[in-house]
Amino acid sequence: NAGVTQTPKFQVLKTGQSMTLQCAQDMNHEYMSWYRQDPGMGLRLIHYSVGAGITDQGEVPNGYNVSRSTTEDFPLRLLSAAPSQTSVYFCASSLAGTGGMNTEAFFGQGTRLTVV
Amino acid sequence: GQQVMQIPQYQHVQEGEDFTTYCNSSTTLSNIQWYKQRPGGHPVFLIQLVKSGEVKKQKRLTFQFGEAKKNSSLHITATQTTDVGTYFCAGATSGTYKYIFGTGTRLKVLA
Repeated sequence: NAGVTQTPKFQVLKTGQSMTLQCAQDMNHEYMSWYRQDPGMGLRLIHYSVGAGITDQGEVPNGYNVSRSTTEDFPLRLLSAAPSQTSVYFCASSLAGTGGMNTEAFFGQGTRLTVV
Repeated sequence: GQQVMQIPQYQHVQEGEDFTTYCNSSTTLSNIQWYKQRPGGHPVFLIQLVKSGEVKKQKRLTFQFGEAKKNSSLHITATQTTDVGTYFCAGATSGTYKYIFGTGTRLKVLA
């Protein structure tokens, strides 16, 4: 089992460019999410999905799009990169429990994104 | 919206001393999870608490969930250098799947 795989590990973008961060899991988890981590601010939820075809916004969704066409994949799209989006991005997956009570989340290794 | 705060932000301890981090939510939580992130790594799950007043132990780590389900704590007894890292809590309110992370407590252990 690979667990949660994120690609790329590192990326440098110019302001205004677009790109997609890839996330794939092989554990048949219904729930997947994207977080960004900035120094002193912990992990902030960008978007999440409770199953294929279902996505919802987290705390900081502006400037990002997601889709969930399969259970395995949950890509994060930056529409027009800005320096404020420089961060470390983590994808996570877990089983979706009843009443919003998920099981433990498994995190990918992260993508370090720099926007210049 | 839901906010989760953690204190302290940083903690330096001598090896062998105890350590506690506190997590406070602005809303009542259905459950709370704790994670540890080593420097340069990704968060790794430690435990989940569900019941009001619940206490769970993992070797030197003790986790508590408050009676009102709005706060939680992690206590490490006799810290070791392997305990170095940032500890995060993450909570969700009932019926939602939005796990909001706390700001984290960075622990340094001096040998």
